[in-house]
Amino acid sequence: EAGVAQSPRYKIIEKRQSVAFWCNPISGHATLYWYQQILGQGPKLLIQFQNNGVVDDSQLPKDRFSAERLKGVDSTLKIQPAKLEDSAVYLCASRSIRGRSETQYFGPGTRLLVL
Amino acid sequence: QKEVEQDPGPLSVPEGAIVSLNCTYSNSAFQYFMWYRQYSRKGPELLMYTYSSGNKEDGRFTAQVDKSSKYISLFIRDSQPSDSATYLCAMSATGGADGLTFGKGTHLIIQP
Repeated sequence: EAGVAQSPRYKIIEKRQSVAFWCNPISGHATLYWYQQILGQGPKLLIQFQNNGVVDDSQLPKDRFSAERLKGVDSTLKIQPAKLEDSAVYLCASRSIRGRSETQYFGPGTRLLVL
Repeated sequence: QKEVEQDPGPLSVPEGAIVSLNCTYSNSAFQYFMWYRQYSRKGPELLMYTYSSGNKEDGRFTAQVDKSSKYISLFIRDSQPSDSATYLCAMSATGGADGLTFGKGTHLIIQP
């Protein structure tokens, strides 16, 4: 079973530029999460999708961050415009609603550096 | 006060030692408690999962939950260099259906 795929793995941009990250979850996983992990901290949930609907986006800075999962499969997270404090690893995770439903499977993350 | 506090900070122990990692939390709604392991440049992977109070053992790993004290622990016996990683505690009110609340992580180094 292929894992959660993310791209790009690394991105360096200047502040005020825009950037987009892509995630392809494990096949058949209905739930998809985006987390932000700042250096030295644990991941923080940004947004959760169930199929193509948003379940929780209460911690998403909506003035600059947006996310979509149009066909209920892969997802894109966008930052526009980026700030220095957005430098972090952006992790995508997915979860099946069947079987061992408590497990969230994480991708390798996209490491963003904003200069 | 953060919702989840994790101790200790960076930890370096000799191979074969018993390692103890801990988290305290403030939200009494948390019912599900997890430990994730994160190797450098990788995403977190689930190591242990427990529901409510009690102990769970899996090989060299033991997870303990004390809901009355809002305190969870992970013990690693006979630690190996391959256990060197960052360990993150995580919690949920609904079993992982919602987003997880993580501690800051403990960076563990096992010296050969």
